[in-house]
Amino acid sequence: KAGVTQTPRYLIKTRGQQVTLSCSPISGHRSVSWYQQTPGQGLQFLFEYFSETQRNKGNFPGRFSGRQFSNSRSEMNVSTLELGDSALYLCASSLSGGRRDEQFFGPGTRLTVL
Amino acid sequence: SQKIEQNSEALNIQEGKTATLTCNYTNYSPAYLQWYRQDPGRGPVFLLLIRENEKEKRKERLKVTFDTTLKQSLFHITASQPADSATYLCALGWSNTGKLIFGQGTTLQVKP
Repeated sequence: KAGVTQTPRYLIKTRGQQVTLSCSPISGHRSVSWYQQTPGQGLQFLFEYFSETQRNKGNFPGRFSGRQFSNSRSEMNVSTLELGDSALYLCASSLSGGRRDEQFFGPGTRLTVL
Repeated sequence: SQKIEQNSEALNIQEGKTATLTCNYTNYSPAYLQWYRQDPGRGPVFLLLIRENEKEKRKERLKVTFDTTLKQSLFHITASQPADSATYLCALGWSNTGKLIFGQGTTLQVKP
């Protein structure tokens, strides 16, 4: 079974630009969560999508948004990029999210904002 | 305030010994707790999940305990090997959501 895939793997942008990251979950998984990982803050939850609906949201500004398609693939968008948005962005998928589900992480997208 | 704390940023042990990692949390009431391993430049890899009504879980050389009164989980790796060297993350989770709250991680270095 193929794992979670994320594209692109690396991205360099400049301040003020916007970016879209993509995540393809494991086949059959309906929950997709996004995380931001930085050396200073560690892994922080951005949002979770389940059956095309945002089910949970972390404490990030409105510049961070996402969506999920009917095939469970998910995208996240960051508008008006800031230097502090440089980070590893990880997505994770699980069957339904919750007590019985382990989460499978993708390799991440490394975003650098110049 | 709510927080999760994992013991010391780095743990150095000798091959063959047992590594014990600690995860403490305050002002959370999780339904379960998970442990992940993360190698540099890679996404976390799931190791174990333990629910609030479970005291202990084992998987091969791994053991995790969960004390909801103390608000603490201990993660043990027995007969440690250099290949176990990595960063280990604990994460709190709740029912009906994939949201996880992660600790900062503990870097384990196993020396031959």
